[in-house]
Amino acid sequence: GAGVSQTPSNKVTEKGKYVELRCDPISGHTALYWYRQSLGQGPEFLIYFQGTGAADDSGLPNDRFFAVRPEGSVSTLKIQRTERGDSAVYLCASSSGLAGQETQYFGPGTRLLVL
Amino acid sequence: GENVEQHPSTLSVQEGDSAVIKCTYSDSASNYFPWYKQELGKGPQLIIDIRSNVGEKKDQRIAVTLNKTAKHFSLHITETQPEDSAVYFCAALGGNEKLTFGTGTRLTIIP
Repeated sequence: GAGVSQTPSNKVTEKGKYVELRCDPISGHTALYWYRQSLGQGPEFLIYFQGTGAADDSGLPNDRFFAVRPEGSVSTLKIQRTERGDSAVYLCASSSGLAGQETQYFGPGTRLLVL
Repeated sequence: GENVEQHPSTLSVQEGDSAVIKCTYSDSASNYFPWYKQELGKGPQLIIDIRSNVGEKKDQRIAVTLNKTAKHFSLHITETQPEDSAVYFCAALGGNEKLTFGTGTRLTIIP
């Protein structure tokens, strides 16, 4: 079956612009996660959705970052007034959301470059 | 919060030899420990995982061991092959559903 997909695969923008990154989770997965990965580092947690609601957004670095999942499937990560320090790979993962099935499956990521 | 440390940061082994990567974690409430393999330009792919009620798990050439008392877990790859070359990440999941990752190990298999 299809895995987690993310679009676009690459995004180049200018400092101060607004960007949206999209994630399509595995069909039927109720839990969705966003992570950010800087060069040479492991992924860092940003936000976690269970269904439509953000269960934990403690990893969002500041109020320029926002994510939504209005129908409990596709999610969009939104970054306002982008800064050069926002350049990274943004990874999305999903899991079934069932107890004892914690495995998170990752998408290929969106590589964001802010000039 | 959880803190995961991973060693070594780079590892080179002859093809056919074994590779071992070690991680420690800080949060005793963590109960799930996956290992991911990440190739250049791709997202992390799960290769094996272990839950806190198990001490060891094996899948063909890959095994993971967990010592809950010492709060450390290790990845063992035997009979290494060139396609095993990649960056490997350990991670720990606590009760808050957040995965905390180690800093990664770049594994190079020398033909």
